[in-house]
Amino acid sequence: QSALTQPPSASGSPGQSVTISCTGTSSDIGAYNYVSWYQQHPGKAPKLMMYEVSKRPSGVPDRFSGSKSGNTASLTVSGLQAEDEADYYCSSYAGSNTFFVFGPGTKVTVL
Amino acid sequence: EVQLLESGGGLVQSGGSLRLSCAASGFTLSTYAMNWVRQAPGKGLEYVSGISGSGGNTYYAESVKGRFTISRDNSKNALFLQMDSLRADDTAVYYCAKSTVTWTKGVFDYWGQGTLVTVSS
Repeated sequence: QSALTQPPSASGSPGQSVTISCTGTSSDIGAYNYVSWYQQHPGKAPKLMMYEVSKRPSGVPDRFSGSKSGNTASLTVSGLQAEDEADYYCSSYAGSNTFFVFGPGTKVTVL
Repeated sequence: EVQLLESGGGLVQSGGSLRLSCAASGFTLSTYAMNWVRQAPGKGLEYVSGISGSGGNTYYAESVKGRFTISRDNSKNALFLQMDSLRADDTAVYYCAKSTVTWTKGVFDYWGQGTLVTVSS
């Protein structure tokens, strides 16, 4: 069982927006601004899409944005494109005992 | 160009051992913490183990503590994961992942393609 909670699925039509939530606790997401998001296409390695809540790595389109409120972080994909269809995982630093925790993943479908 | 290439996966019986390797190139390995993250078939990501740039600090998930040992050889640009007393629930694709400068920020900016470990019972 994952330490973080994500909805199993989310969907939207091309051009629309979709937001994925990631809920943790006051020991992980609520305690640190160290939330990352990873995109994974079938059979491929995960790819970093967002880090430190809202920072985008070089090369990631600005259609992707991140935010956090309390114990919940969110990833929003605006202007959905077919290539955005993938699994998305959130992760957070959770202190020196637990270190890093991941969410169970959210499958984003572009209708 | 940063590249991470895992090897050493395969089929092993329950109770057996395997040693995974990750060959790193395109960056100075000693500058960065390195990590192993696994993914069971059809499941999500699980953080397994990590090691600081110098090798002086390590971390293990509770699920593998006492059975797995992470190490690195910066002179050979290599990361390792020695897996002993393997169990069926260790079956997964194991990814090698590079951290950014600050390990505890939990930013894994490069990943290998993964190596499959299958433990038969």
